[in-house]
Amino acid sequence: AQRVTQPEKLLSVFKGAPVELKCNYSYSGSPELFWYVQYSRQRLQLLLRHISRESIKGFTADLNKGETSFHLKKPFAQEEDSAMYYCALTQAGTALIFGKGTTLSVSS
Amino acid sequence: NAGVTQTPKFQVLKTGQSMTLQCAQDMNHNSMYWYRQDPGMGLRLIYYSASEGTTDKGEVPNGYNVSRLNKREFSLRLESAAPSQTSVYFCASSDTGIGNTEAFFGQGTRLTVV
Repeated sequence: AQRVTQPEKLLSVFKGAPVELKCNYSYSGSPELFWYVQYSRQRLQLLLRHISRESIKGFTADLNKGETSFHLKKPFAQEEDSAMYYCALTQAGTALIFGKGTTLSVSS
Repeated sequence: NAGVTQTPKFQVLKTGQSMTLQCAQDMNHNSMYWYRQDPGMGLRLIYYSASEGTTDKGEVPNGYNVSRLNKREFSLRLESAAPSQTSVYFCASSDTGIGNTEAFFGQGTRLTVV
């Protein structure tokens, strides 16, 4: 069965510290992997996807098929990065499945 | 461009009451979803519609029914509300092309069942 695991419920870091939000998945086939973000009082929105191989707001995520991981990283956290982050996967024609989410708290 | 619109934004129900959450999207997307968001549980899929006229159960479908009225609209119905259905409900839509499956979300409906 397809599954997305985010082992950390809460990650607290200081401003300027590196951030890594972990995501592991189990899926047969070749899924698409995403990171979604929900800022306070805002809609859930796409942060980045593995296909694009892009950096958004300083965040990057590399798909490691061997370890079935898609960890989200940022070298220097900012206070405005504080939010709930969800890892998600889908395959064309199937539903989008989310992990349980990780709350990132960045303090000064 | 409205995107995904959900109504209502807030609702309080008594146990046993029924209600329908409405969702509409104006992006001509094929797929639509209903999720519930609970603390510590993340987003759990209730029902999914891959295209007009089709619906599939997700992880937590019990106590809910859905209708894909047309390509734009996907409603979620609680026939007999229970306190366990207190949650924030999100509707979403996406296209189904490979590499083009970004989901767009509504603003959410905060439902309290007392």
